[in-house]
Amino acid sequence: AQKVTQAQTEISVVEKEDVTLDCVYETRDTTYYLFWYKQPPSGELVFLIRRNSFDEQNEISGRYSWNFQKSTSSFNFTITASQVVDSAVYFCALSELNAGGTSYGKLTFGQGTILTVHP
Amino acid sequence: GAVVSQHPSWVICKSGTSVKIECRSLDFQATTMFWYRQFPKQSLMLMATSNEGSKATYEQGVEKDKFLINHASLTLSTLTVTSAHPEDSSFYICTPRGQGAAEQFFGPGTRLTVL
Repeated sequence: AQKVTQAQTEISVVEKEDVTLDCVYETRDTTYYLFWYKQPPSGELVFLIRRNSFDEQNEISGRYSWNFQKSTSSFNFTITASQVVDSAVYFCALSELNAGGTSYGKLTFGQGTILTVHP
Repeated sequence: GAVVSQHPSWVICKSGTSVKIECRSLDFQATTMFWYRQFPKQSLMLMATSNEGSKATYEQGVEKDKFLINHASLTLSTLTVTSAHPEDSSFYICTPRGQGAAEQFFGPGTRLTVL
């Protein structure tokens, strides 16, 4: 069975601080996808990143960066110079691949981390 | 990114009534539809998966006779909560997937409150 653990339930920072959200996963699959989503108060999930298990390169997108460590089954997310608009719930998710191995299947979500950025 | 719409965005109903939620993929053909629900302050849990033209596959613990899913076309899927009760109050989110799609975009969600 797949499992995603986000150990940090809530994080509170002051604007401009860097913050890292942890994500640890478990799966028996050798190929899989990992995702991060942002859920602002409106509720709509905002896609942030998808990473497949073949690619352990870290990624940076503006103030966001992701560290994928297959050896420790972790996919951590860092926000640099946080802003008030970053306040939201962040979900890490794991997906199996479909039977053909060409696309993702259902997502298993972590419990989410509530990030509050204070001005 | 892909455009996904859900209707209604929120609904309040009396206990015992049925509620239909529509999910449309506006710019691609959704061969598969995933329906998730999210109880307040909790994570998202998959309810069911449907392929266009086929019966839905339900996750363990989800009553298929209570949550009716229809995926009759490649752009529309519906979830009907039959005889809704207060414990069904939740945020229901659909996510369509096209053939070979690498991304997964979620609908904006439908907030159901059953009184």
